[in-house]
Formats: sequence, C-alpha cells, structure tokens
Amino acid sequence: EAGVAQSPRYKIIEKRQSVAFWCNPISGHATLYWYQQILGQGPKLLIQFQNNGVVDDSQLPKDRFSAERLKGVDSTLKIQPAKLEDSAVYLCASSLGGVAGGTQFFGPGTRLTVL
Amino acid sequence: TQLLEQSPQFLSIQEGENLTVYCNSSSVFSSLQWYRQEPGEGPVLLVTVVTGGEVKKLKRLTFQFGDARKDSSLHITAAQPGDTGLYLCAGASLVTNAGKSTFGDGTTLTVKP
Repeated sequence: EAGVAQSPRYKIIEKRQSVAFWCNPISGHATLYWYQQILGQGPKLLIQFQNNGVVDDSQLPKDRFSAERLKGVDSTLKIQPAKLEDSAVYLCASSLGGVAGGTQFFGPGTRLTVL
Repeated sequence: TQLLEQSPQFLSIQEGENLTVYCNSSSVFSSLQWYRQEPGEGPVLLVTVVTGGEVKKLKRLTFQFGDARKDSSLHITAAQPGDTGLYLCAGASLVTNAGKSTFGDGTTLTVKP
C-alpha cells in the first residue's frame, strides 16, 4: 500500500515570497491533516479536512496560510507571503476518519527554509 | 488548550541500558498515541492506548497509560542504536474532536553503540 506522498521535499525561499506544498493521501482515507513542525517541537495541527470539508482550522494563520482539498483527495497548502518564522517542516497525514478518528499516517514532510 | 509535557527533552545512553520517558498532562484523553520520528521522515505510530491503567508491549518497548488517562510512560529495555529517534506522544479527546491529536514536543533519544 502506497503511503502519504508529499512534494517538494525541500524548499528555500526569501521572505515575502509565496510557496505551495502538495499532499496525496493514502487511497480511501477521508481525513487529511496538515501540521507544522518547528525544529525542536512536536507537530502542530494547522488544518484538518474530512473529505473536502474543513473540520478544524483554528490554528491556521489565515492571513497568510490557505489550504484546499478539491474533490476530497489531494490537498495543497499555500503560504503567501512567507515570514522567517514559517521555517519548519510541513507534514501531511491521513486517516480513515470516522468517530474515533483512526490511525494517522504521515508523509515525509516538506522542509521549508525562509531566508 | 490541552498540553502534553514530555520529559526528559533529551536522553543519551549506551547500548544495553534501560530507559523510561514520560508524557504528562492535566487533561484527560480518550486515547494516547506514541510515535517515533527519524530525521527527514514523518512520525510513525508505535502504539495507541485507550484504557486507564493499560499496559502494552511491543518487543522491548513497554507503554503504560495512567489510571486517570492523563499521563503515559514508555520504557525501553536493553536499548539499541536503532532505537535512536524522536519519541512523540499525542493525545486525542472525544469531547473536542476525535480525529484531532495534540502532540508533545518529544524526547530525543540517542543510543550510542
């Protein structure tokens, strides 16, 4: 079974530029998550989708971050404009969903460096 | 906000030693997960505990969920260099959002040969 795919694996940009990350979840997984993991910290949930609807985006900085999951499969996370403090690993995870949530499977992440 | 505190933050031991890492919170969780994350990779689930007092074993790893479901521990027996990594605990609450896990900041374990 293929795992969660993410691209690119690495991205270096200058502050105020824009960047987008892509995630392809495990086939059949209804729930998709985007996390931000700053060096030395645990993952912090940015947004959770159930199919193509948003379940939780309470910690998403909506003035600069946006995410979509068209057709309930792939998802993109965009930052515009980027700030220095956005340097982090962006992890995508997926799960079957349901009442109990289900086991989350993580992708390898995209490491973003903002200069 | 549900916070999970993990201790110690860093641990460096010799191969063959035993160790215990902790995950504590003031909040009650319906389930708690332990993950291991290696550099350049995403976290990989090791175990999920759901019942207060529950003990689960995975080879040399023993996981325990506190009776009040607020804390957990991970004990590794005879650690090996392959155990090196970042150990994360994450809690989920049915009251708020069953699919949402709150992560601790992890314990970075280094096992020296």
